[in-house]
Amino acid sequence: EDQVTQSPEALRLQEGESSSLNCSYTVSGLRGLFWYRQDPGKGPEFLFTLYSAGEEKEKERLKATLTKKESFLHITAPKPEDSATYLCAVPLSGNTPLVFGKGTRLSVIA
Amino acid sequence: DAGVIQSPRHEVTEMGQEVTLRCKPISGHNSLFWYRQTMMRGLELLIYFNNNVPIDDSGMPEDRFSAKMPNASFSTLKIQPSEPRDSAVYFCASSNRQGQSPLHFGNGTRLTVT
Repeated sequence: EDQVTQSPEALRLQEGESSSLNCSYTVSGLRGLFWYRQDPGKGPEFLFTLYSAGEEKEKERLKATLTKKESFLHITAPKPEDSATYLCAVPLSGNTPLVFGKGTRLSVIA
Repeated sequence: DAGVIQSPRHEVTEMGQEVTLRCKPISGHNSLFWYRQTMMRGLELLIYFNNNVPIDDSGMPEDRFSAKMPNASFSTLKIQPSEPRDSAVYFCASSNRQGQSPLHFGNGTRLTVT
């Protein structure tokens, strides 16, 4: 059973068309939810960590939010350079390593 | 800061050959992780080390896989013998506090076994 599920698998947006990516998780006692961006041929690059329900973090056109069961990555007025795969990850318990979702492939068309 | 350095970037080998992947973590980081990424399964943890000691290798798919960390600045992942199903991108990552600290990834080694 997947502990971290991301949706949609792929998303195609026009430049300027805002949308949201979803990450749902089934761990108890969340000890952080991590968002990463991955460009083709590169390793994942850290974006945000969220620790408690209601927390929000922003970076340029991206805003991450967290509830008790899921996180959203909101993309406002995206640009083609926002095209990438976005991954979320959680530690299953304690100080265990991160478990990743399979990601959402975002394409932003000019 | 040079980041996590992996070598080689690409490796093409024939089935049955030994493959060694290398990783240099960020200086000062005391946790090191090896992940494998495929389209079907996404990013999967293979093994991780704290202070050069292997903590959990339950993600290593078979005895053909082995990993070492002889010192704080170097780790290897070895596959012997390699099989076509091992073809994937292998990532090394490091952090300064496992679990609640962001991972810093290298750019991976793309392995193709023919």
